[in-house]
Amino acid sequence: AQKVTQAQTEISVVEKEDVTLDCVYETRDTTYYLFWYKQPPSGELVFLIRRNSFDEQNEISGRYSWNFQKSTSSFNFTITASQVVDSAVYFCALSELVYGQNFVFGPGTRLSVLP
Amino acid sequence: DSGVTQTPKHLITATGQRVTLRCSPRSGDLSVYWYQQSLDQGLQFLIQYYNGEERAKGNILERFSAQQFPDLHSELNLSSLELGDSALYFCASSVGRTSGVQETQYFGPGTRLLVL
Repeated sequence: AQKVTQAQTEISVVEKEDVTLDCVYETRDTTYYLFWYKQPPSGELVFLIRRNSFDEQNEISGRYSWNFQKSTSSFNFTITASQVVDSAVYFCALSELVYGQNFVFGPGTRLSVLP
Repeated sequence: DSGVTQTPKHLITATGQRVTLRCSPRSGDLSVYWYQQSLDQGLQFLIQYYNGEERAKGNILERFSAQQFPDLHSELNLSSLELGDSALYFCASSVGRTSGVQETQYFGPGTRLLVL
């Protein structure tokens, strides 16, 4: 069975602080895909990143970076120098190639960045 | 703007009624997905269609059904509505070249359904 855990329900930081959102997943598949999505207060879901299970290279995109570690089944997301516009709910999602054909989302982490 | 459109934006109806939610995928995308987001269940995958055919099924109730038309737009039909069906319903689309699980899905703005 697929499972995605985002243990942090809510996080509050002050602007310019760095913050890391944790994502731990469970899968019995060897080929799978991990995603992060952002849901700002307006409600839409915005794609941030996709990573396949064979690519453990960390990725950086501006102030965003992702750390994928298969050994710990984690795909953590770090925002550097956070801004008020980063306030949103962030979802981690898992999709398996063989044992599951659809997305499973984690419960989400609500990030509040205070000015 | 993801390029995925959903109508209506809001829908208020009564228990026992039937509603239809509509989704138009991004230009060129062949796969359409439906999701339900509720406070107690979170984001749940309902169903996927690829080029008019059902490809994958998730936690979709028997009272719910979907279809994808030749012009690739999709409709989600919800019948015998209950209070617990109140939720935000998202549609997403992807290119659909593969099975879809590894493709990036682009989400529409959602339809907020309130069942009274």
